[in-house]
Amino acid sequence: DAGVIQSPRHEVTEMGQEVTLRCKPISGHDYLFWYRQTMMRGLELLIYFNNNVPIDDSGMPEDRFSAKMPNASFSTLKIQPSEPRDSAVYFCASSLVGRNPLEQYFGPGTRLTVT
Amino acid sequence: GQNIDQPTEMTATEGAIVQINCTYQTSGFNGLFWYQQHAGEAPTFLSYNVLDGLEEKGRFSSFLSRSKGYSYLLLKELQMKDSASYLCAVRVSGTYKYIFGTGTRLKVLA
Repeated sequence: DAGVIQSPRHEVTEMGQEVTLRCKPISGHDYLFWYRQTMMRGLELLIYFNNNVPIDDSGMPEDRFSAKMPNASFSTLKIQPSEPRDSAVYFCASSLVGRNPLEQYFGPGTRLTVT
Repeated sequence: GQNIDQPTEMTATEGAIVQINCTYQTSGFNGLFWYQQHAGEAPTFLSYNVLDGLEEKGRFSSFLSRSKGYSYLLLKELQMKDSASYLCAVRVSGTYKYIFGTGTRLKVLA
C-alpha cells in the first residue's frame, strides 16, 4: 500500500514567485495535516483537514499561505508570494480516526528553498 | 500557552541505555506521542501514551505522568541505527491538533 505522496521533493524558487506543494494522503484516511519544519522552530502544524474540510488553520503564518483539499485524495499548499523566510521542509501527513493509537503517517516532505 | 521541552542533543554508546525526557504544558491533553526522524527523512511513529505509566515495545519504552506533565522515551541496547532525532508530541484535547517539541538529536557512538 502506497504511503503519503508529496511533490515536488525539492523546490528552489526566487522571492516573489508562487509555490504550490502537493500531497496525496493514504487512501481511506480522513484527516490530512500540513506541517513546516525548520531547525529553529521544529515541526509546526500549519493546517489540518477532516473529510476535506479545513478544521484548524491557526498555524498558517499569514495570508500568503493558503491550503485546499478539493477531494479525499489530493491537497495543495500554496505560498504567494514566497519569501526567503519560507525556506523549510514541508510535510504532509494523514491519519484515520478510529484507529488506536491515532498515529500520523508522514510523507517524504518537500524541501523548499526561496532565494 | 503551549510548550514542549526536550533536550537538544544527547550522546550515548552502542549497547547502552538512554532516556530522553519531555515536559509539556498544553491547554488540554489527549495523548503523548513519540516519533523518530532520521536525517533527511520523515518522522515515523514510535509510541503513544494516554494513561500514566510505562508502555513497552521491544527495545523502546515510553513513560507518562500526566500530573507532572512529563514523559520519557527509554531506548535499550542502543544500535548505531538509533542515531536520529526523537520528537515528543502532544495531542490537544477536543481536537486532532498536535504540538511537537523541537526534537532531541541522539548520536550513538561505537
